[in-house]
Amino acid sequence: GAGVSQSPRYKVAKRGQDVALRCDPISGHVSLFWYQQALGQGPEFLTYFQNEAQLDKSGLPSDRFFAERPEGSVSTLKIQRTQQEDSAVYLCASSLATGRSTDTQYFGPGTRLTVL
Amino acid sequence: AQTVTQSQPEMSVQEAETVTLSCTYDTSESDYYLFWYKQPPSRQMILVIRQEAYKQQNATENRFSVNFQKAAKSFSLKISDSQLGDAAMYFCALGAGNMLTFGGGTRLMVKP
Repeated sequence: GAGVSQSPRYKVAKRGQDVALRCDPISGHVSLFWYQQALGQGPEFLTYFQNEAQLDKSGLPSDRFFAERPEGSVSTLKIQRTQQEDSAVYLCASSLATGRSTDTQYFGPGTRLTVL
Repeated sequence: AQTVTQSQPEMSVQEAETVTLSCTYDTSESDYYLFWYKQPPSRQMILVIRQEAYKQQNATENRFSVNFQKAAKSFSLKISDSQLGDAAMYFCALGAGNMLTFGGGTRLMVKP
């Protein structure tokens, strides 16, 4: 089946604009993760969903970041009033089961966000 | 809290030769897994290999193998018979709880 898909692949926003990034996980995958990858660095955890429940949002950098997964499949990461430091690649990953450390996470191609 | 350290920002290998990428980690968790992911310029993270921390036997996937030293908290990746398509960023990651913690990455260049 298809892998994890993300849209858009590229997004340019003016400082202060709101943006919404979409993730379509692998069909049937229970767990969904968002990561932020700054240029030249490894990804950093943002938030985790098990089905529609957001079980961990400890990595969200500020209250301008909001994620949802209302029907337990597609997820949206929303960033309000974007700032230049939000410029990064946003990666989405999904795993089949309950998100325990034993489960392999499969990644999408990411959305590169540039805030001018 | 977990930390993962990759001390080699860049590595270079001649095609068909062998290269080893280093990774050290720290965690207080007893149940964890370790992963190596490859990220080519397309940005898609691709799983290369995974290791269960409770297993002493080192994982192997074709040309890729790991040297897992649990006491030393070391998890290196060996790539044998390197190919041009192996050129990419390689990330070591620790899976504990419900998240992955990544190292800073090693850029691997393969010379023809």
